[in-house]
Amino acid sequence: KNQVEQSPQSLIILEGKNCTLQCNYTVSPFSNLRWYKQDTGRGPVSLTIMTFSENTKSNGRYTATLDADTKQSSLHITASQLSDSASYICVVSANFGNEKLTFGTGTRLTIIP
Amino acid sequence: GAVVSQHPSRVICKSGTSVKIECRSLDFQATTMFWYRQFPKQSLMLMATSNEGSKATYEQGVEKDKFLINHASLTLSTLTVTSAHPEDSSFYICSASGLALKGETQYFGPGTRLLVL
Repeated sequence: KNQVEQSPQSLIILEGKNCTLQCNYTVSPFSNLRWYKQDTGRGPVSLTIMTFSENTKSNGRYTATLDADTKQSSLHITASQLSDSASYICVVSANFGNEKLTFGTGTRLTIIP
Repeated sequence: GAVVSQHPSRVICKSGTSVKIECRSLDFQATTMFWYRQFPKQSLMLMATSNEGSKATYEQGVEKDKFLINHASLTLSTLTVTSAHPEDSSFYICSASGLALKGETQYFGPGTRLLVL
């Protein structure tokens, strides 16, 4: 069964600090892995997307890594800001002709001043 | 990036009534649209996949007669929740994909909050 697990479930850090969110997956056949940011009451917004051959990808203060051998990914947030408070969702895509996404349950990140 | 809109953003209705939610791709042609449902503190769950001009494919456990999906054009898909009940209260999110999109293959709408009283 395709699954995506994220940790921690929730995280609280001080503004300006860095943090790393984890994602483990068992999805086959693997197509790509994405990280999304979802503000409360809003739809997910894409942060990064990585294919099998990509180890790391950055988008501003967000840096995602991918280890396709161990099926692990991380999202590192640098110099956190209050606006980073949101849920961060790891999503893995399998390609069965039509793309099929498997969603993690997300990490709820809260930045406090 | 590509833009997907949803209307309405939130709706409150009485039990037993039907509610229609629209999903539009604003700057690309969406050959495929996806409808998701998200309950509080849970992840998105795919309800159905619709290709323009053909019948939607529903995920296991999703009643096709209750959640009517129409994808009549390359820019519009609608989800109608028929005879809504309080347990249908949820956050409904659509996403759209198109052949012309590069890299990112699904763009998500902002979601519609449905509350059934």
